Amino acid sequence: GAVVSQHPSRVICKSGTSVKIECRSLDFQATTMFWYRQFPKKSLMLMATSNEGSKATYEQGVEKDKFLINHASLTLSTLTVTSAHPEDSSFYICSASPPSGSKNEQFFGPGTRLTVL
Amino acid sequence: DAKTTQPPSMDCAEGRAANLPCNHSTISGNEYVYWYRQIHSQGPQYIIHGLKNNETNEMASLIITEDRKSSTLILPHATLRDTAVYYCIVRAHQGGKLIFGQGTELSVKP
Repeated sequence: GAVVSQHPSRVICKSGTSVKIECRSLDFQATTMFWYRQFPKKSLMLMATSNEGSKATYEQGVEKDKFLINHASLTLSTLTVTSAHPEDSSFYICSASPPSGSKNEQFFGPGTRLTVL
Repeated sequence: DAKTTQPPSMDCAEGRAANLPCNHSTISGNEYVYWYRQIHSQGPQYIIHGLKNNETNEMASLIITEDRKSSTLILPHATLRDTAVYYCIVRAHQGGKLIFGQGTELSVKP
């Protein structure tokens, strides 16, 4: 299947700093990527839909100024957690769909574990 | 997108079939049933999807009832590596977003 990568796999930062997470589709072009967050023992929560060349669409309750999303190319979307605080510590996961996939399934990255001290 | 209901946890003996149920009584005519699983601390993995016919691939089988209000994912010979949280998701085929419920935590035991 198609491969989606994330970088970094884990990051520890101090409170108040900003952290950037990259999501790449390695062997296909993705006009749309999705960002999720997951707390321990909880399900994935969709944060936003990232559209190449346009503004992201955020889910209700997700602060767009806090979680900046940029989808500058067909293979790269970035999520920047600005002025991170301990409550932003979470597992962040991205996904993407190949545009011509007959199954229309989404492929997920391995996730990035963010710890804010 | 329609809501799904799954048991929070299930156990299965290694080598036996694992049958994971999912209720989706409010599913509409253009919505498909998708199954994903998430092994601890990894990203979710696609398993299978279907509309109304039963489906089978190298990983699993999907049985959808005639009224489409429920479905069952079958892992024919469960292994320890199948221990994961399994998510049943209903969405329109071109719907884009996947909305995850709580899933079923499957534990395969020796």
